[in-house]
Amino acid sequence: DPKIIQKPKYLVAVTGSEKILICEQYLGHNAMYWYRQSAKKPLEFMFSYSYQKLMDNQTASSRFQPQSSKKNHLDLQITALKPDDSATYFCASSQDWGGASTGQLYFGEGSKLTVL
Amino acid sequence: GQQVQQSPTSLVLQEGENAELQCNFSTSLNSMQWFYQRPGGSLVSVFYNPSGTKQSGRLTSTTVIKERRSSLHISSSQITDSGTYLCAMERRSGYNKLTFGKGTVLLVSP
Repeated sequence: DPKIIQKPKYLVAVTGSEKILICEQYLGHNAMYWYRQSAKKPLEFMFSYSYQKLMDNQTASSRFQPQSSKKNHLDLQITALKPDDSATYFCASSQDWGGASTGQLYFGEGSKLTVL
Repeated sequence: GQQVQQSPTSLVLQEGENAELQCNFSTSLNSMQWFYQRPGGSLVSVFYNPSGTKQSGRLTSTTVIKERRSSLHISSSQITDSGTYLCAMERRSGYNKLTFGKGTVLLVSP
């Protein structure tokens, strides 16, 4: 069974609309992340959270807002969608963040977003 | 420019052949990782923070951080090895803020 659940797996949106990508992990990890993979760019880091607190943000646009309602949840809200936002968004988690016990990344299956 | 360069970009093998994938880094790094991305998308860690030579089954990673390079050797390839192999670097270890390469697409045919 997948230990990191992302929903939806596929979604199509129109330019200007808003979408929320859902991520839940059942690995008991304390740190969660969002990465993005588009056709034009390699997989790239977006955000890291530790114990529900934002630790690092590599996303220039405020249109991307992570939301963590529980330690094992990290959703990603994207507003004012643009065609360039089309990508597969991967949620990931690790045991901890920022130290020797961080551990490796475990990735979800991804949510593929297409913006028309 | 790209900080992580992978070669070759794609590789076609017959089942049973060996493969050598290369990863070079244009900036200093503290650690690196290898991932396997299945056709269809999900990623699995293959080697986490390897240094020197590490082996896991038919996979061998050889990494020299000071020389900014790593290679992944796949021996006796199988059809199920098909997919994309990604390497990634960390400027500071322990934060999982990875910079990825574009990957090597491997196709193993019968």
